[in-house]
Amino acid sequence: EDKVVQSPLSLVVHEGDTVTLNCSYEVTNFRSLLWYKQEKKAPTFLFMLTSSGIEKKSGRLSSILDKKELFSILNITATQTGDSAIYLCAVPDPNTGNQFYFGTGTSLTVIP
Amino acid sequence: EAQVTQNPRYLITVTGKKLTVTCSQNMNHEYMSWYRQDPGLGLRQIYYSMNVEVTDKGDVPEGYKVSRKEKRNFPLILESPSPNQTSLYFCASSEGQGAGGANVLTFGAGSRLTVL
Repeated sequence: EDKVVQSPLSLVVHEGDTVTLNCSYEVTNFRSLLWYKQEKKAPTFLFMLTSSGIEKKSGRLSSILDKKELFSILNITATQTGDSAIYLCAVPDPNTGNQFYFGTGTSLTVIP
Repeated sequence: EAQVTQNPRYLITVTGKKLTVTCSQNMNHEYMSWYRQDPGLGLRQIYYSMNVEVTDKGDVPEGYKVSRKEKRNFPLILESPSPNQTSLYFCASSEGQGAGGANVLTFGAGSRLTVL
């Protein structure tokens, strides 16, 4: 049973476009959701959203959490070629706090 | 620099030849974990450790062993590798449950393993 589902699986856009990446989750007693960016190597942390922090923004990237509908979106405005990466969504198991459920990721390619 | 270090970064081996992928972190993190990443399947957890001498199975532990004798090190052992263990492996660590900033994983650079 999938606990974290991301869509779309892949996306190709032109520089300057705005993209929205989706992450839906099915986790009882939800506590937090994390977004990571993975370029050619290790995933790097972008945002963590919790019950008390349902919206985060950093430059051209922003993310919101809808606890009622059980999803999060990651928005990237004015995309650049450097935004090309796999974007991963993860939800920690609320019972253990340290076992993570990852989505399969969205592969974003930004064309000049 | 705060980091998670994995070695080797690339390895080609043959079926049945035991190998160890080392992982070390310098952030005094209590929690460490191993993942494998395969196309279409995303990151899947192999084993994790909440602290020294405490390890637990993740979603795909078969064919792997781990140990946590020291806080900073968490090696992944493949006793008898098989071709279906060809994958990209990541080690990660975090401060652990309950701490400020908990659940934010710091990943190593990855180890690409090919088993022939």
